[in-house]
Amino acid sequence: EVQLVESGGGLIQPGGSLRLSCAASGFTVSSNYMSWVRQAPGKGLEWISVIYSGGSTYYADSVKGRFTISRDNSKNTLYLQMNSLRAEDTAVYYCARGRGYREPFDYWGQGTLVTVSS
Amino acid sequence: QSVLTQPPSASGTPGQRVTISCAGSSSNIGNNYVYWYRQLPGTAPKLLIYRNNQRPSGVPDRFSGSKSGTSASLAISGLRSEDEADYYCAAWDDSLSGLVVFGGGTELTVL
Repeated sequence: EVQLVESGGGLIQPGGSLRLSCAASGFTVSSNYMSWVRQAPGKGLEWISVIYSGGSTYYADSVKGRFTISRDNSKNTLYLQMNSLRAEDTAVYYCARGRGYREPFDYWGQGTLVTVSS
Repeated sequence: QSVLTQPPSASGTPGQRVTISCAGSSSNIGNNYVYWYRQLPGTAPKLLIYRNNQRPSGVPDRFSGSKSGTSASLAISGLRSEDEADYYCAAWDDSLSGLVVFGGGTELTVL
């Protein structure tokens, strides 16, 4: 059974850093593309980052230069390093598995809340 | 502003058939598969329809999807109270809008 479990969210001051983790089971994170998607309170879904099976990474303009996606194949875990956090980064962050080439997501984690506030 | 356009709300009575539309462009829906997700309050999105009209195992056949050109729609027949949720469409995007683009979501109310 495919499972994704996020952790690492919390309350952080503007300008601070946080690292989110997404532990996967039931499949290998390096065999699919993996993404982070966020949802601000009361808002819709926003794709923010992807790492392909080959290791290439891409980011939405809203987080480019501040966030870094990575994975640890030995731990079967996906990460999102978030630096220079802003109030507008406040959201629930989900990791999601890509279903296949040029297709959206088939499995999502339960999400972890990041609140950026002083 | 979301790249894909959905109505913010929809409603129906138990047993009724409801459809939710999703409008895009040639760079997303027109050239790629459409997915639909259901999100209950406080929970993660869950896959409802993939590849325009395919249902994952466990999703009842009351849910169906279709696509035509740069638009898609989700139909729910035999509406039930437990269908109250937010519904999102999504598609891969070939432009610089983002890897996967979403609709703004439709809040379905069962009256």
